[in-house]
Amino acid sequence: DARVTQTPRDKVTEMGQEVTMRCQPILGHNTVFWYRQTMMQGLELLAYFRNRAPLDDSGMPKDRFSAEMPDATLATLKIQPSEPRDSAVYFCASGLHGQETQYFGPGTRLLVL
Amino acid sequence: KQEVTQIPAALSVPEGENLVLNCSFTDSAIYNLQWFRQDPGKGLTSLLLIQSSQREQTSGRLNASLDKSSGRSTLYIAASQPGDSATYLCAVQTYNQGGKLIFGQGTELSVKP
Repeated sequence: DARVTQTPRDKVTEMGQEVTMRCQPILGHNTVFWYRQTMMQGLELLAYFRNRAPLDDSGMPKDRFSAEMPDATLATLKIQPSEPRDSAVYFCASGLHGQETQYFGPGTRLLVL
Repeated sequence: KQEVTQIPAALSVPEGENLVLNCSFTDSAIYNLQWFRQDPGKGLTSLLLIQSSQREQTSGRLNASLDKSSGRSTLYIAASQPGDSATYLCAVQTYNQGGKLIFGQGTELSVKP
């Protein structure tokens, strides 16, 4: 049963600390998306990659957020330094270019105190 | 800028009722529209995907329609069950956006036994 996995599932940290979230896309998928969900803004795209190359990170605050794909099986989203307004659920999704369905992971629930 | 709106924000119905969820979008230059289900604390599950050239899609008790010219889609749920209780989100993909999903805020559905 192929699925997208995300770690950690929950993270509580203090303002100013670095946060790293990890995503393992479904094997064989070549497109990876990072979304953020908050009550106020709903679901918003932060960044996405195709074949490990970043295609669009316009939704991401550049000064503190960074997204990478060290290899085809791992995507990371880092926040440094974290702020209380970063508290949200961060979802990773993967898909196959040319097929529109995106498969979502369970999310990382981040709370920055 | 594409905006997606869902009405109502919340809906409570008795078991067995047929119901309709609404989604509207401002830019008709979409290449597909998708309906997702989100259970509390979980990720998103794709329910139905309608290509821009299609008028509707059906899966079991679910039927989604698309009227691209008017910027509207509906999700019809027949014979609702308590297990249908969840948040339903619609999202569109537009041309030249590389697969980026633009989401509505969702409709929180509660089906009472």
